[in-house]
Amino acid sequence: EPEVTQTPSHQVTQMGQEVILRCVPISNHLYFYWYRQILGQKVEFLVSFYNNEISEKSEIFDDQFSVERPDGSNFTLKIRSTKLEDSAMYFCASSKLAGSSHEQFFGPGTRLTVL
Amino acid sequence: DAKTTQPNSMESNEEEPVHLPCNHSTISGTDYIHWYRQLPSQGPEYVIHGLTSNVNNRMASLAIAEDRKSSTLILHRATLRDAAVYYCILRTGGGADGLTFGKGTHLIIQP
Repeated sequence: EPEVTQTPSHQVTQMGQEVILRCVPISNHLYFYWYRQILGQKVEFLVSFYNNEISEKSEIFDDQFSVERPDGSNFTLKIRSTKLEDSAMYFCASSKLAGSSHEQFFGPGTRLTVL
Repeated sequence: DAKTTQPNSMESNEEEPVHLPCNHSTISGTDYIHWYRQLPSQGPEYVIHGLTSNVNNRMASLAIAEDRKSSTLILHRATLRDAAVYYCILRTGGGADGLTFGKGTHLIIQP
């Protein structure tokens, strides 16, 4: 069964450094998403992406975040200058279509630790 | 997305059915009811969704009240692997908006 994959599984970085989290969505899916989950808290939506453009973004997704689909398979989340409060699990998701009747498929996540 | 209310936690025994309730009294006519779950240390996983009629798939069944103000996720025969946080989420619109997760119901399965 096809699945969303994410690398690395765990990333440790120093405050102020840039990080890039990588995702390979399911191959025939057209919509891509990033979520984060701070330890012990809810899963929060960051951004959705379609046709090489951001479709929706939350208040959390500020100028320090960016997303890109650099090639036909990868979808990346870049955090320009990490802060301690960026420490969280980051989940990538994809869906074949958008809208309320369509499900999203999540990857296993990347644990980001900012020191 | 409209608001949902779920119990914080529920406990059940292995190999018994589990009924997880969700109230969504402010649901609108076009809102779909989605259920996701999150196993320990894993990403969320889609379980099932529906609009008005009851739905069945290989993982679970979804029973939707006639007035659509509540729904119940039914796991027909719980296993230890079903121990997870279960999220009931209403989705509306045709855009690529994100899912709005609440705190969900923490399901504990006793052997």
